[in-house]
Amino acid sequence: DAGVTQSPTHLIKTRGQHVTLRCSPISGHKSVSWYQQVLGQGPQFIFQYYEKEERGRGNFPDRFSARQFPNYSSELNVNALLLGDSALYLCASSSPFRGLYEQYFGPGTRLTVT
Amino acid sequence: AQSVTQLDSQVPVFEEAPVELRCNYSSSVSVYLFWYVQYPNQGLQLLLKYLSGSTLVKGINGFEAEFNKSQTSFHLRKPSVHISDTAEYFCAVSGNSGNTPLVFGKGTRLSVIA
Repeated sequence: DAGVTQSPTHLIKTRGQHVTLRCSPISGHKSVSWYQQVLGQGPQFIFQYYEKEERGRGNFPDRFSARQFPNYSSELNVNALLLGDSALYLCASSSPFRGLYEQYFGPGTRLTVT
Repeated sequence: AQSVTQLDSQVPVFEEAPVELRCNYSSSVSVYLFWYVQYPNQGLQLLLKYLSGSTLVKGINGFEAEFNKSQTSFHLRKPSVHISDTAEYFCAVSGNSGNTPLVFGKGTRLSVIA
């Protein structure tokens, strides 16, 4: 089975621009979570979606938003990019049958803001 | 709310020697505990998890961890490391309601020396 996939792998944006990151969960998984990993730190929780509804939100500004589609894929949007948004953005999926806490991570999208 | 402290940011160890990576957590509720490994330029891979039951948990690649509730610790151990174990290791905690996000430590960089 394919694991969690994310696109793009890398991208470079300029301050003030907008970015959209995409994630496809493992087949059968209905929950997607997004994490931000700044260089040298552990991942920080941004959002969790389950069955297309937001189930949790971390301590991030309103410039960050997300949604989940009927096929359970997800998008993370960041507006008005700041230099501090440069990070690895990780998507994780989980299944209610294995416990939503057991999360499987994708390879991440490396965002560089200049 | 939960928090995780990984006591060592870097651990160098010779090949075939044993290693212990330390993790302490704080929580006002019962928890689930996890160890993830991150190889360079990759996402996170689940090594092992503690949900309930036996406090000694065995994972992939010969790793094991022991949950100690009184000391609020979940240390990761391997009796004999290989060069291929060189990676970043993250301890994570979530509340056991099944719907709380993962909270990660800052990570421990394990460097195996030939």
